[in-house]
Amino acid sequence: EDQVTQSPEALRLQEGESSSLNCSYTVSGLRGLFWYRQDPGKGPEFLFTLYSAGEEKEKERLKATLTKKESFLHITAPKPEDSATYLCAVQALNSNSGYALNFGKGTSLLVTP
Amino acid sequence: NAGVMQNPRHLVRRRGQEARLRCSPMKGHSHVYWYRQLPEEGLKFMVYLQKENIIDESGMPKERFSAEFPKEGPSILRIQQVVRGDSAAYFCASSPAGQNTEAFFGQGTRLTVV
Repeated sequence: EDQVTQSPEALRLQEGESSSLNCSYTVSGLRGLFWYRQDPGKGPEFLFTLYSAGEEKEKERLKATLTKKESFLHITAPKPEDSATYLCAVQALNSNSGYALNFGKGTSLLVTP
Repeated sequence: NAGVMQNPRHLVRRRGQEARLRCSPMKGHSHVYWYRQLPEEGLKFMVYLQKENIIDESGMPKERFSAEFPKEGPSILRIQQVVRGDSAAYFCASSPAGQNTEAFFGQGTRLTVV
């Protein structure tokens, strides 16, 4: 069975203190790994898609990387507005569900001034 | 994700009533997905639809839940005879044709059963 585990569950950083969020996955063939950001009371906002080990993508202070077993979301010099829950999801190659995603429970990030 | 429109944003139903949640996908998107987010749980896939077709409903509870995406109009997630355990945030996502494209989520409908 496909599994997605995110760690830590919660992370508190001071403004400017860089860190990484982890997403470990088990899937019988990876079609894609996705990162979303979710603010309280809102829907998930798409950040990145990674398709193969070794791939990296960047957007402002965020950088996502992928290996065969896990993905990292690196946050460089975070600001308070980066506070949110970050969700990781995988899509399996053998899925009949089109784009259906298997989500982790998320990492709740708080960045304090 | 502002392009995927869900309504209502908040819905309160008494036990035993019916809940109807609507989702209008982004313009040009023909694939719709419904997810449920329970408190302290991750997003869980429920159903995948294309126009007039249910492609995969493997995540839908076997009873009381149904979904449709008619040729005209929004996709509807219908929950009959709601129970307290149905209280959750229900999110709709849409994507254009093709399986390697990103899905965009709506803001969700928060259902409270009292």
